[in-house]
Amino acid sequence: QQQVKQSPQSLIVQKGGIPIINCAYENTAFDYFPWYQQFPGKGPALLIAIRPDVSEKKEGRFTISFNKSAKQFSLHIMDSQPGDSATYFCAAANGGATNKLIFGTGTLLAVQP
Amino acid sequence: GAVVSQHPSRVICKSGTSVKIECRSLDFQATTMFWYRQFPKQSLMLMATSNEGSKATYEQGVEKDKFLINHASLTLSTLTVTSAHPEDSSFYICSARNPSSGYNEQFFGPGTRLTVL
Repeated sequence: QQQVKQSPQSLIVQKGGIPIINCAYENTAFDYFPWYQQFPGKGPALLIAIRPDVSEKKEGRFTISFNKSAKQFSLHIMDSQPGDSATYFCAAANGGATNKLIFGTGTLLAVQP
Repeated sequence: GAVVSQHPSRVICKSGTSVKIECRSLDFQATTMFWYRQFPKQSLMLMATSNEGSKATYEQGVEKDKFLINHASLTLSTLTVTSAHPEDSSFYICSARNPSSGYNEQFFGPGTRLTVL
């Protein structure tokens, strides 16, 4: 019940395309859903996060869509660029408890020029 | 704001020695820090939660006597890998919770690559 399932494992898109990465969770106590971007040999960087009281959040080219009833959320990257090539992790946390992040398995994104 | 640093970025040590990794929050006070390890092409695995001035809380399966965590101040936590062995070789990443930044967001350090020969 603590797992966060992430798909796909890897994704290749052309420059300008819109990659979509999906995550699903079981624990209804989760109330914070961040996305992290990680380049090889670096720590994860927070991209964007959402709380379950909204269904969508946009920050620049990154959009989170959240479906509370389906317990799913997804990351969309608009006008993707080769510099977006990285590994993306979704996560979930229960802020009312320990606020520990439960990470998805990661998606390796390659944006081809 | 919300910058977290780690030192060293890379360390190579001999089997049986101990290695200390530092995690610092540079521009905020972090009452809680987290330590993760990450194997190649895998996700982050939480090892322990470190609270300033108290004992760390370890995740199931993580040996507390092998991975010593100290959180002596609001800006510094250390992880010491004692009697390191080759299987401890991994990428160790810390994060710090910024209580004044939105929803207690966690900000990650750049990671420390540990290689045990």
